[in-house]
Order: sequence, then structure tokens, then C-alpha cells
Amino acid sequence: KAGVTQTPRYLIKTRGQQVTLSCSPISGHRSVSWYQQTPGQGLQFLFEYFSETQRNKGNFPGRFSGRQFSNSRSEMNVSTLELGDSALYLCASSLSQQRGTQYFGPGTRLTVL
Amino acid sequence: GNSVTQMEGPVTLSEEAFLTINCTYTATGYPSLFWYVQYPGEGLQLLLKATKADDKGSNKGFEATYRKETTSFHLEKGSVQVSDSAVYFCALTNQAGTALIFGKGTTLSVSS
Repeated sequence: KAGVTQTPRYLIKTRGQQVTLSCSPISGHRSVSWYQQTPGQGLQFLFEYFSETQRNKGNFPGRFSGRQFSNSRSEMNVSTLELGDSALYLCASSLSQQRGTQYFGPGTRLTVL
Repeated sequence: GNSVTQMEGPVTLSEEAFLTINCTYTATGYPSLFWYVQYPGEGLQLLLKATKADDKGSNKGFEATYRKETTSFHLEKGSVQVSDSAVYFCALTNQAGTALIFGKGTTLSVSS
């Protein structure tokens, strides 16, 4: 089976702009989670989607949002970008009944200038 | 809420040395425990997991045992290789079982 794919792999944006990141889960996986990885804060949970519904949300401001489509693909959006949003954004998918066992994509490296 | 603490790195070893990376947790209930590994420029890969007390997870020569009495899940390998150089993350499920909570990560560097 193909793994989790994320596009684009690298992005450079300026403050105030918005950005959309995409994630395609492993075939058959209906749960998609997003994480932010930074050197200072480490890995932090953003949100989880299942069957097109946000099922769980971490402690991030409302500028961070996401959605999931009927084919389980997911997008994450960050509006009004700040310098502190520079990070590696990781998407992970899992079988709905094994939500702790997550399979990660390679990530999207976002740099905000 | 649930949390995990793992030893600070970096850990520098010679090839064939014994590896231990300590991980302890605080949790309500009975979380599942995981070790993930991140190679340079890549995402995280699941290395091993344990879902209940006294379970031992193992993969690629790595092992970790879910110790409820000491709230620990230490990662061990008897003989490391240069290819094991990576960042290792200990993780557990949150109280609702809906997300992973990660430790800060431990960088392992193995030289030949």
C-alpha cells in the first residue's frame, strides 16, 4: 500500500498570507490527524478528522483549521501567517479502531518570512 | 492530562554498543505507549508499541516493556548500528485515546 503523502513538501510564505496543506492517507484509513513540529515546542497535536468531521482538537488558535473530504483526503489551512508558524507540519492516518497507531507522512516544511 | 518525559540527548554511541533511552509517563487510565523514530528529512515511523501493562513491544532489535509500577517504557537495543542514528520519540495516547502526546525526542548518533 502507498504511504501517507503530503503536498507540497516545502513552502515559503510571508507574514499575513494564508496557506493550505494537503494530505492523502493510506488507503482504507479514515482517520487523519495533523501535528506541528518545532524545535522549541516539539510535536503538538492540531486536530483529527474522521468521516469528514473534526473529532478532536488541540490547543491552537482559530487561525488553524482543517477539513476532510469524502475520500478521506484532508487539508489544513493557516490564515494570517505569523513568524512562529514556521514548522514542519505532519499528517498521520490510522484505522478508526486503532487511533493510537498512526502512520505519518514526510511532512510539509513551512517557512514564514 | 497525560504527559511523557524522555531523557535529554544527544546520545552518542559507538557501533555495537548497548542503547537505553529512558521514558516515563503520567497518565489517567491505561494509555497505549509507543516509540516512533524520525530519520533526517523524513516523517515519523512507528518503531514499536505496547497496549497494556507488561506488554513488550519489539521491532528491528529494539525492545520496550510497558511497566505500570514504574510508569516507564524505556527503549533498548543490544547492539546499535550506524543506520540507527535518528531522533527517537516516546509517545502515549491522550486520556480520550484520540491523539498522541509526544516526548521532546532524543537524538541518537552512532559512529563506526
